[in-house]
Amino acid sequence: DGGITQSPKYLFRKEGQNVTLSCEQNLNHDAMYWYRQDPGQGLRLIYYSQIVNDFQKGDIAEGYSVSREKKESFPLTVTSAQKNPTAFYLCASGRVNEQFFGPGTRLTVL
Amino acid sequence: SQQGEEDPQALSIQEGENATMNCSYKTSINNLQWYRQNSGRGLVHLILIRSNEREKHSGRLRVTLDTSKKSSSLLITASRAADTASYFCATGGPNTDKLIFGTGTRLQVFP
Repeated sequence: DGGITQSPKYLFRKEGQNVTLSCEQNLNHDAMYWYRQDPGQGLRLIYYSQIVNDFQKGDIAEGYSVSREKKESFPLTVTSAQKNPTAFYLCASGRVNEQFFGPGTRLTVL
Repeated sequence: SQQGEEDPQALSIQEGENATMNCSYKTSINNLQWYRQNSGRGLVHLILIRSNEREKHSGRLRVTLDTSKKSSSLLITASRAADTASYFCATGGPNTDKLIFGTGTRLQVFP
C-alpha cells in the first residue's frame, strides 16, 4: 500500500446521495486508475488518467465521475445515478506493466 | 466480459505443499502479471512475464506462459500459512494502457 492513500476506509451513504472517495499518491506517477471490486470477483476499471487534466472512461464508468487537477490526486465521485454502488473501490497508480494499489474504500449504500 | 478466467476459484492446501493456479485470457498481450490481495486490502504486484517469455521465477514463485493457448500458471512452492490470500492475473495488451484482471483464485494454506 506504500505511497498511495485512500480515504475513508469505510463509507456509508444513503440512497440518492453523491459521495467522493479520495486517492492520493506520492510516487510521482503520471497514471492513476480507479477500480471496482465486487465480492468474489476481479477488478473492473472505472476511470483512468494518464496525465493531469485528462482522463478516460473504463469499462464501467456510468454513474461515476472523476477529476485530475493535480498529479498526486485522483478523486472519484459515486453519483446517485450509479444503480448499485455498494462495493470495494481500489485506486492505483503506476504503469501498465506494474500498478501500485491503495488500501481501498468499502462503500455501503444504506 | 473481457475479464480473464482463473481456476480453481478456491484452493485449500497444507503448509509445505505446492499451490498451482491457472489463468486464461482472451486477447493478444504484451505481458501478463500476477497480483496478490490479502483480505480487504489492496493488491500487491508479484511478478510480470512478457509475451516472448515462457517461464519466470521469483523466490518461491514460478510463472509459465503459453501464448498459443492464451494461458498462464502460477506455482507457489513450499507454501506457508502467510501465503493465504487471493491471487489475480492481469494482462497488458498491445495498443492499450489498461490492465484486464482475472476473476481470482482464493488460496487457503492451513498450518
